[in-house]
Amino acid sequence: AQSVSQHNHHVILSEAASLELGCNYSYGGTVNLFWYVQYPGQHLQLLLKYFSGDPLVKGIKGFEAEFIKSKFSFNLRKPSVQWSDTAEYFCAVNARGSQGNLIFGKGTKLSVKP
Amino acid sequence: NAGVMQNPRHLVRRRGQEARLRCSPMKGHSHVYWYRQLPEEGLKFMVYLQKENIIDESGMPKERFSAEFPKEGPSILRIQQVVRGDSAAYFCASSRGGASGTSYNEQFFGPGTRLTVL
Repeated sequence: AQSVSQHNHHVILSEAASLELGCNYSYGGTVNLFWYVQYPGQHLQLLLKYFSGDPLVKGIKGFEAEFIKSKFSFNLRKPSVQWSDTAEYFCAVNARGSQGNLIFGKGTKLSVKP
Repeated sequence: NAGVMQNPRHLVRRRGQEARLRCSPMKGHSHVYWYRQLPEEGLKFMVYLQKENIIDESGMPKERFSAEFPKEGPSILRIQQVVRGDSAAYFCASSRGGASGTSYNEQFFGPGTRLTVL
């Protein structure tokens, strides 16, 4: 069965620190990959997605993620976080050719101290 | 352009009652997905519907849960005879199309309905 692992449950950083959130998936076939963010009190929003092509994907608000096929990973990065990045981040995969439902990781809460 | 709408945002039910959760997709979207988020867990897929059709219900519990997406009106997730374990946040997402690997697969999420069973 497909699954997604997010290694960190809660990450606490100071403003301007660099961020890397890990995401690994288990599925042998071709996948589409997503990172969603949920700000406090708001709904999930898409940060970035990977379907094909350049494995380094740039998203909104300065976020990027790199797809490393050999490691089944899709880690999220940001060089310098801001207090407004405090949120919960979810990695998700969707098997290419599937009906479209997403498999989510458990999420990582990011707290940025001003 | 309104996003995905869900109502109610909060729903409290006593054990044994029925819960009805509604989802109106974004304009132009004909594909709806329901997910459930239990405390400290990620979102788990429940069911995928197009207008008047259930496409994939592999994540739906076999008993007490049902979903529909009629030709007119919102999609409804119905939970009969609720139990405490049904307490969760239920999210709906919609997409323009369902084909995987294209931009039509992008899912837009609603704010969720938080169900509490007393």
